[in-house]
Amino acid sequence: KQEVTQIPAALSVPEGENLVLNCSFTDSAIYNLQWFRQDPGKGLTSLLLIQSSQREQTSGRLNASLDKSSGRSTLYIAASQPGDSATYLCAVGKGGSEKLVFGKGTKLTVNP
Amino acid sequence: DAGVIQSPRHEVTEMGQEVTLRCKPISGHNSLFWYRQTMMRGLELLIYFNNNVPIDDSGMPEDRFSAKMPNASFSTLKIQPSEPRDSAVYFCASSLGGGTVSNQPQHFGDGTRLSIL
Repeated sequence: KQEVTQIPAALSVPEGENLVLNCSFTDSAIYNLQWFRQDPGKGLTSLLLIQSSQREQTSGRLNASLDKSSGRSTLYIAASQPGDSATYLCAVGKGGSEKLVFGKGTKLTVNP
Repeated sequence: DAGVIQSPRHEVTEMGQEVTLRCKPISGHNSLFWYRQTMMRGLELLIYFNNNVPIDDSGMPEDRFSAKMPNASFSTLKIQPSEPRDSAVYFCASSLGGGTVSNQPQHFGDGTRLSIL
């Protein structure tokens, strides 16, 4: 059974800092990995989707990397801003299904 | 563009009552997902449909839960009878997925916060 872990559960940084969020998964036979953002009282917003054949994806100040063999992914946020404050979740998908298995997220606070 | 629309946003009801949650997916999307989010268990997939057909309902907790998708623009999740442990935030999401792989991003509604007293 696939398990997805995100450590730390919470992170607080000063504005302008570069930071890395971590995601690990137990079964390396994944089809892809996705990173989502969740604001309080809202649904999830898809940020980046990495196919299993890819090593990384970039969107603006966000860069996600994937090391399938070691069961790890990182989300790098450059020059963090208070507006980046949210909970970030990663999710893995397996071939043959659209089902995603989610981690519990890292709650990020960027202090002005 | 209209996103995924869920109703109601909040529901408070007493144990034993029937609860119906509603979802309108993004027009043109052919996959629809129902999730439940709690502090203890995180976000869990309950069921998903592709082209209005249930594909995977292995996450549905028990027979008290049922989901339907009578057409491409509407789905319901029903709990009967409801219990306090069903209290959670329920999300609906939709995607352009083909049903067998998760290679399209899922778009989430803002959820229904359900409290069973």
